[in-house]
Amino acid sequence: DQQVKQNSPSLSVQEGRISILNCDYTNSMFDYFLWYKKYPAEGPTFLISISSIKDKNEDGRFTVFLNKSAKHLSLHIVPSQPGDSAVYFCAASAGYGGATNKLIFGTGTLLAVQP
Amino acid sequence: DAGITQSPRHKVTETGTPVTLRCHQTENHRYMYWYRQDPGHGLRLIHYSYGVKDTDKGEVSDGYSVSRSKTEDFLLTLESATSSQTSVYFCAISGDSRQPQHFGDGTRLSIL
Repeated sequence: DQQVKQNSPSLSVQEGRISILNCDYTNSMFDYFLWYKKYPAEGPTFLISISSIKDKNEDGRFTVFLNKSAKHLSLHIVPSQPGDSAVYFCAASAGYGGATNKLIFGTGTLLAVQP
Repeated sequence: DAGITQSPRHKVTETGTPVTLRCHQTENHRYMYWYRQDPGHGLRLIHYSYGVKDTDKGEVSDGYSVSRSKTEDFLLTLESATSSQTSVYFCAISGDSRQPQHFGDGTRLSIL
């Protein structure tokens, strides 16, 4: 039973345009969300996070939006660059203020940015 | 980059043999984690540690054990490897539970 879902296995975007990656979750106890980027043969790299007390967080070209009522978050990359081509994982955890940090990951979306 | 080293990076072994994977960190972080990545499942937490000798189970802990005898090392052991444990294994670390986890480059394990 997938608690974090990334329904698009792949996405292709032209260089310079916006990339929008989507993530849905089912567990209403999730209160901290993260996006990771992964290149082949490397470990995931942290990109950006958001806690449930916010609805938007921005870091340079990357913005994460959180819609708690819809249990949906999205990652916007503007402008997209060929180096952004990677697999993007959404992750969530419950108990942000607690003693543990058990992340639940989605299955990932492969982003291809075409020059 | 976070100072995380996983060893070995690749391993092929036979069903029924014991296997130990090592994660070594130079960041003096309190939390360490083991994940496996499989197609169609993303990354799934196997076990994690919140201090020396303090460990707890993740969502897919059956068939795995861990040990942490010092801050910098976290070992994952498959007591009797099965083909279903063929996967890519990632170690991660974080300074506390409110910080994002940082990952090593993974160990590709094949069990024939």
